[in-house]
Amino acid sequence: GAVVSQHPSRVICKSGTSVKIECRSLDFQATTMFWYRQFPKQSLMLMATSNEGSKATYEQGVEKDKFLINHASLTLSTLTVTSAHPEDSSFYICSARDRTFSMNTEAFFGQGTRLTVV
Amino acid sequence: SQQGEEDPQALSIQEGENATMNCSYKTSINNLQWYRQNSGRGLVHLILIRSNEREKHSGRLRVTLDTSKKSSSLLITASRAADTASYFCATDEGSNYKLTFGKGTLLTVNP
Repeated sequence: GAVVSQHPSRVICKSGTSVKIECRSLDFQATTMFWYRQFPKQSLMLMATSNEGSKATYEQGVEKDKFLINHASLTLSTLTVTSAHPEDSSFYICSARDRTFSMNTEAFFGQGTRLTVV
Repeated sequence: SQQGEEDPQALSIQEGENATMNCSYKTSINNLQWYRQNSGRGLVHLILIRSNEREKHSGRLRVTLDTSKKSSSLLITASRAADTASYFCATDEGSNYKLTFGKGTLLTVNP
């Protein structure tokens, strides 16, 4: 099946610094990628939809200036957590759908990034 | 918004037993998908059932969909310790292709 690579898998950063997380589709082109956040023992919460060549669409309550999304190519989307604080510590997961996909196809997920802000 | 609601939230069974998880949702959907997540890892797609389908099989997995009740069930037969994971249903409502996830069921299969 299709592969989505997410990097890094774990990152620890100091409060006030920024962290960039990459999401790559390795063997397909993804017009659309999605970024999720997951708290311990909870479900995935969609943060934003990343569209290649255009601005991301953020879900209600997600600060776009805090979570910067760039989808510069058909195989790469990045999420930058700016001025990170301990409350931003979480598990972040990306997913991608093949640009050639029809309506009823699955999404492919990255391995996730565990962010810890100290 | 979280649409899917899984039931039960946690399930503990012995190897060889069957595990059934249920999911309810609120709006019209194009399809419903089930995913598995091992602790601290990404999601793995298990099975997709379209809104015009009622039942689907894949190996030891059986999924049903009742659109009149807006519910789905995932049955894992002859469970194994390696099936221990969290299972999520996700609904695809259509035009924007994004998935809405339920809260998940934590399945523990004891050897």
